[in-house]
Amino acid sequence: AQSVTQLDSQVPVFEEAPVELRCNYSSSVSVYLFWYVQYPNQGLQLLLKYLSGSTLVKGINGFEAEFNKSQTSFHLRKPSVHISDTAEYFCAVSAMDSSYKLIFGSGTRLLVRP
Amino acid sequence: KAGVTQTPRYLIKTRGQQVTLSCSPISGHRSVSWYQQTPGQGLQFLFEYFSETQRNKGNFPGRFSGRQFSNSRSEMNVSTLELGDSALYLCASSLEINYEQYFGPGTRLTVT
Repeated sequence: AQSVTQLDSQVPVFEEAPVELRCNYSSSVSVYLFWYVQYPNQGLQLLLKYLSGSTLVKGINGFEAEFNKSQTSFHLRKPSVHISDTAEYFCAVSAMDSSYKLIFGSGTRLLVRP
Repeated sequence: KAGVTQTPRYLIKTRGQQVTLSCSPISGHRSVSWYQQTPGQGLQFLFEYFSETQRNKGNFPGRFSGRQFSNSRSEMNVSTLELGDSALYLCASSLEINYEQYFGPGTRLTVT
């Protein structure tokens, strides 16, 4: 079984500051890793994914994440945030043998202040 | 291409009733997954269908069921509704080659 922990329920940050949203996972099998964003009253949008290869993955809207297998982490980062980045961010994993069953973390609300 | 569409967007039902939600995937996508989102439990996987067959199932009671049609459209049904079934139900479709799931806007179900 897989589980995902997002330790920070809310992260406040000022506009143009850098941000890191933390994600740790647990799994007895190899996994794929994802970050999704959810804006109010909308579905989820894929920001980026890690399937294999380079551990640093770049996504949309200037976000990037680094896969660290030894620490079982997949933290999301952005060097300079905008007001429009205010949203809920979800880290998710799927086992390689059941790739379409996403296990989500509890989410981190990013609040960007002017 | 049109995105994933879900109907209806909002629904109010009474305890004990049943409800059917519909999802139309992106054209060409054959995998459809369903998720329940609540403030208390977060996002939870319900089931996934591919080519009209259920391929994966989450830990939900048998009152939750689904099906997929030959055109990949999917429906989920919840029978004997309980107050705790109030949630946002999200559908996602996927192309087999890249493991990316594209989510619809969801159906907001309120059980009174």
